[in-house]
Amino acid sequence: NAGVTQTPKFRVLKTGQSMTLLCAQDMNHEYMYWYRQDPGMGLRLIHYSVGEGTTAKGEVPDGYNVSRLKKQNFLLGLESAAPSQTSVYFCASRRTSGRGNEQFFGPGTRLTVL
Amino acid sequence: AQSVTQPDIHITVSEGASLELRCNYSYGATPYLFWYVQSPGQGLQLLLKYFSGDTLVQGIKGFEAEFKRSQSSFNLRKPSVHWSDAAEYFCAVSGGGSNYKLTFGKGTLLTVNP
Repeated sequence: NAGVTQTPKFRVLKTGQSMTLLCAQDMNHEYMYWYRQDPGMGLRLIHYSVGEGTTAKGEVPDGYNVSRLKKQNFLLGLESAAPSQTSVYFCASRRTSGRGNEQFFGPGTRLTVL
Repeated sequence: AQSVTQPDIHITVSEGASLELRCNYSYGATPYLFWYVQSPGQGLQLLLKYFSGDTLVQGIKGFEAEFKRSQSSFNLRKPSVHWSDAAEYFCAVSGGGSNYKLTFGKGTLLTVNP
């Protein structure tokens, strides 16, 4: 099993450009999450999904959109990138039900917006 | 709302010394608590978790943590630190509801001196 994978690993954008980050998991997990990590801020939840076809806002959703068309994939989109979106983005997934189940994380995508 | 505080931003210890990383949480009911480790340039890996039962939990890599409800704490310990333990450590709490969102602390960076 590959676990949680993220594409791409690195990306540089200019202000106003758009892009999509792809997260894929092969563990048949129901729940998927997108976080951003900034120095001194820990991880903050952007959006999440509790199942195929569902999405919901997290703590810092502004400027991002998501889609979960297939159970194994969770896409994060930036329609018009801003320098404030320079960050490291992590995707995670977990099994359904049971508060004790942990989230499994991908390796991250480092995004720079110039 | 749930929250996590990690009071120490950066800790330096000598190899072979003992380690304790502090974590305080705020949550109205019984919390589900996690410690994750992040090596440089990597994603997050689960060290251990607490959700019921024995308040002293054992994790991977020789780490343990103790849940103290009276102090709202979940401190991470290791009796003898190895150079490979140098990393950033995150405490997280999972609250109620059906989305199982994690709220992370801001992290503690551990430096290990030879």
